[in-house]
Amino acid sequence: QVQLQESGPGLVKPSETLSLTCTVSGGSISSYYWSWIRQPPGKGLEWIGYIYYSGSTNYNPSLKSRVTISVDTSKNQFSLKLSSVTAADTAVYYCAREPIAAAGTPLYYFDYWGQGTLVTVSS
Amino acid sequence: EIVLTQSPGTLSLSPGERATLSCRASQSVSSSYLAWYQQKPGQAPRLLIYGASSRATGIPDRFSGSGSGTDFTLTISRLEPEDFAVYYCQQYGSSLFTFGGGTKVEIK
Repeated sequence: QVQLQESGPGLVKPSETLSLTCTVSGGSISSYYWSWIRQPPGKGLEWIGYIYYSGSTNYNPSLKSRVTISVDTSKNQFSLKLSSVTAADTAVYYCAREPIAAAGTPLYYFDYWGQGTLVTVSS
Repeated sequence: EIVLTQSPGTLSLSPGERATLSCRASQSVSSSYLAWYQQKPGQAPRLLIYGASSRATGIPDRFSGSGSGTDFTLTISRLEPEDFAVYYCQQYGSSLFTFGGGTKVEIK
């Protein structure tokens, strides 16, 4: 059974960089797309971006200037960095897996999710 | 960006009743790229439906999805106590994933 676990600081100061890591267990990080998705308290879901195990990325245009997603296949982990954070970035951050078809094409939905980690931006 | 609008915002029903949730897109969405999720308080979303109408592994057959183009529907044929939750639709288009605002199904 594939499991995803987010880790990182729960409190970040305004203007600093939010850094989170997602550790994948029970399966390989290879051959899948891996996303970060966030949910402000009491609100809906916002996709942040994805990385393919090979390192190619795609980011939400609304966050693109501040986001970097990277992968470490040797550790079965991928990471999120979000710079210049403000209170508006306070949210539960989820990592999630996007499966692929046999031909290697993405399937455009998320079948496994981490439990989520709350990150609060406050001084 | 394709905007997904879910309605109603809240659905008040009793166990055993039928729930019909709507997801309308601001422009046409490929059926292959439309999914539905269930989220309970304090939990991550759970995949219910992908490809507009295919049930994910382990999802009971009381959940069904339908629709095409700009109008999609999630139907729960007979509500069980564990089905009271928030439901989100999600699409992929123009290199971007977007989610609807959610429909809360609450006990009447």
